Amino acid sequence: GDSVTQMEGPVTLSEEAFLTINCTYTATGYPSLFWYVQYPGEGLQLLLKATKADDKGSNKGFEATYRKETTSFHLEKGSVQVSDSAVYFCALSDHGGTALIFGKGTTLSVSS
Amino acid sequence: DAGVIQSPRHEVTEMGQEVTLRCKPISGHNSLFWYRQTMMRGLELLIYFNNNVPIDDSGMPEDRFSAKMPNASFSTLKIQPSEPRDSAVYFCASSFRGAAEAFFGQGTRLTVV
Repeated sequence: GDSVTQMEGPVTLSEEAFLTINCTYTATGYPSLFWYVQYPGEGLQLLLKATKADDKGSNKGFEATYRKETTSFHLEKGSVQVSDSAVYFCALSDHGGTALIFGKGTTLSVSS
Repeated sequence: DAGVIQSPRHEVTEMGQEVTLRCKPISGHNSLFWYRQTMMRGLELLIYFNNNVPIDDSGMPEDRFSAKMPNASFSTLKIQPSEPRDSAVYFCASSFRGAAEAFFGQGTRLTVV
């Protein structure tokens, strides 16, 4: 079945450092791909998405490109802030109205 | 729109008691999902509905868990009887079926003692 694999955390960075969180997926069709973020004590919020190959999703300085050839959707940010500390989830969904399939999440901790 | 609304936000109950979690999806959304989040297992899909009809309940742990969606604006997840291992954060999410992305509620933190 479809699945998502994320890099293990936690990821600990200093403010203004470059961030990469790796995500790869397995899917039989052509899924949509998502990054969600969960701040402490809150629900998951959609951070960005891409619906087809070579699409780049971006939001709040974060970017991810849908790479069909490598089945990847890595999350990047050029300069992280303390306020970016959260848990980040990669997810996929096919277009048939089924539920999102999530990776296990990666905890990011940014210190000043 | 107020987003997905879950209640209660926190629930502490004794083992053996019945627990009912509630969810109001975003108006106009026709898919609803219940997830459970724990440190050990991460985020697990329990059940989801399309147009108020349960589509996949294969994630429901056992017969103690049941979910209903009597109308487009309300769903419940019931655990009877509850056990300490049910302690987790339970999330409800909704989506418009054609859009794929889901919107999550704030979650209900359940503690069974």
